[in-house]
Amino acid sequence: AQSVTQLDSQVPVFEEAPVELRCNYSSSVSVYLFWYVQYPNQGLQLLLKYLSGSTLVKGINGFEAEFNKSQTSFHLRKPSVHISDTAEYFCAVNPSNNFNKFYFGSGTKLNVKP
Amino acid sequence: DVKVTQSSRYLVKRTGEKVFLECVQDMDHENMFWYRQDPGLGLRLIYFSYDVKMKEKGDIPEGYSVSREKKERFSLILESASTNQTSMYLCASSQQGGNARNQPQHFGDGTRLSIL
Repeated sequence: AQSVTQLDSQVPVFEEAPVELRCNYSSSVSVYLFWYVQYPNQGLQLLLKYLSGSTLVKGINGFEAEFNKSQTSFHLRKPSVHISDTAEYFCAVNPSNNFNKFYFGSGTKLNVKP
Repeated sequence: DVKVTQSSRYLVKRTGEKVFLECVQDMDHENMFWYRQDPGLGLRLIYFSYDVKMKEKGDIPEGYSVSREKKERFSLILESASTNQTSMYLCASSQQGGNARNQPQHFGDGTRLSIL
């Protein structure tokens, strides 16, 4: 079975500060990893994904994430956040033995303050 | 750009009613998905479809059914709505019916459904 844990339900941060949103997963098979963002009153948009290769993945809007297999983590980072980054962020995994299933974490609300 | 359109942004229905949520995508995607989103629980998969008339149960299919008569349209049906089905419902689609992981899911804006 797979599970995805986002340890922080809310993260307040000041504008231009760095931020890290944590994601840990549990799986008995290898996984593919994703981060999505949801702006208020909208659906989810893909930020970035890790399928294979380099463990550091760059996405849209200046975000990046690093896959750490030994720690089963896929933390999302941005060196300097903007007010417009205020949104909810979801980590998701897709197990290698079931290509149609995506398991989502419970989400982290990022609140960027001026 | 891919467009996934959900027919209603807000919907209020009564207990016991049969409720239809409609989703249409314009990019000829093979895969379509229905999720519900609840605070603290993230997204949970209700059903997905990888082709016309094909469907598979997700993690929480009880109380729901789906219909996919045309490739672009995927309907979620609440056979007899109950208050515990009050939630945000999100539809998504993706390319390539056989290998969803290589293609991102494109989401609609969601339908916030209240069952009274």
